Amino acid sequence: EPEVTQTPSHQVTQMGQEVILRCVPISNHLYFYWYRQILGQKVEFLVSFYNNEISEKSEIFDDQFSVERPDGSNFTLKIRSTKLEDSAMYFCASSDRGDYYGYTFGSGTRLTVV
Amino acid sequence: DAKTTQPTSMDCAEGRAANLPCNHSTISGNEYVYWYRQIHSQGPQYIIHGLKNNETNEMASLIITEDRKSSTLILPHATLRDTAVYYCIVRTNAGNMLTFGGGTRLMVKP
Repeated sequence: EPEVTQTPSHQVTQMGQEVILRCVPISNHLYFYWYRQILGQKVEFLVSFYNNEISEKSEIFDDQFSVERPDGSNFTLKIRSTKLEDSAMYFCASSDRGDYYGYTFGSGTRLTVV
Repeated sequence: DAKTTQPTSMDCAEGRAANLPCNHSTISGNEYVYWYRQIHSQGPQYIIHGLKNNETNEMASLIITEDRKSSTLILPHATLRDTAVYYCIVRTNAGNMLTFGGGTRLMVKP
């Protein structure tokens, strides 16, 4: 079964440093998403991406965040200057036709900011 | 998107059917009911969705009441691996984001 692959599985970074979280969505999918989950809290939407541009974003997705699809396979989330409160699991997801058949989520990257 | 209400937690015996309820009394005509689950700290997993008819797939069945104000996810023969948090989400297909609530923590016991 096709999978969404996320790397690394765990990243530790110093506060103020830039991090890039990487995702390889399912190859024929057209819609890409980032969600995050702070430990013990709900899964929160960050951003959706379609046709090489952001289609929707939440209040969490401020100027410190950016997304990119640098080539035909990768989808990245960059946090420019990490804060302690950015520590969370970050999940990438993709879907083929909007959400009609449901998203496929990756297994996540645990980001720890120290 | 309409708000959903789910019990915080439920237990189920292994091999028995798990019936997970969800209330969505403010659902509108173009909103679908989606179910996802999250096993431990893994990424959420899509289970099933429906508009007004009952749906079944290899994972589960979804029963939606005639007035569409509530639904039940049925796992016909729960296994220990079905222990997870189950999320009921109501949304249109026009939007992009999923809004996750607290979900129901299902514990399947031997």
